[in-house]
Amino acid sequence: DIQLTQSPSSLSASVGDRVTITCRTSQSIRNQLNWYQQKPGKAPKLLIHGASGLHGGVPSRFSGSGSGTEFTLTITSLQPEDLATYYCHQSFNTHTFGQGTKLEIK
Amino acid sequence: QVQLVESGGGVVQPGRSLRLSCAASGFIFSSYDMNWVRQLPGKGLEWVAVISYDGSNKDYADSVKGRFTISRDDSKNTLFLQMDSLRSEDTAVYYCAREDMIVVAAPTNVFDLWGHGTVVTVSS
Repeated sequence: DIQLTQSPSSLSASVGDRVTITCRTSQSIRNQLNWYQQKPGKAPKLLIHGASGLHGGVPSRFSGSGSGTEFTLTITSLQPEDLATYYCHQSFNTHTFGQGTKLEIK
Repeated sequence: QVQLVESGGGVVQPGRSLRLSCAASGFIFSSYDMNWVRQLPGKGLEWVAVISYDGSNKDYADSVKGRFTISRDDSKNTLFLQMDSLRSEDTAVYYCAREDMIVVAAPTNVFDLWGHGTVVTVSS
């Protein structure tokens, strides 16, 4: 099974900050890496597909990069509504999620 | 309206069974692979099972293999999860999720539509 490790597990940032979340995989998954946002009490929503593709309707302050075994999700100019937990997900070999990164707004 | 609506959750004793349903609407259900994903209390997401668009292929997480069965009824646009021999560690919110392939440079499979979830509590 492919393991995904996200870092950090949690972080606190201020409105307007740039935030970066990292996801490392136990083996190469090429670019088969997606990012989801889950707000409290809600279902996850797709943000980024194929490591760097912005899903329809997602604000352009969200971006993704990486390939192989290391990937990043970046939020430029953090907004109050970005309070959520973010998960990476690999679809290279069945499906696995990272453990999540809880983002708090200072 | 494009949506997935889960039902069937509840409180059940260890060792008993429960059947979850997921009603799809607003899209051609029979064209999509469908999945169940669960979230343990206060924890992250765990993929549970997938069924191909035509029902011919199924796969399960090791944690539920041999106990859970995924199925679909395309005539009713409904996905099912039969959960047998339930354990306390199966307590979770269960989401159904549509799987789609996005082709931008290279094809990637994503969960692009999720239900609101149904809560399963396994407790004596």
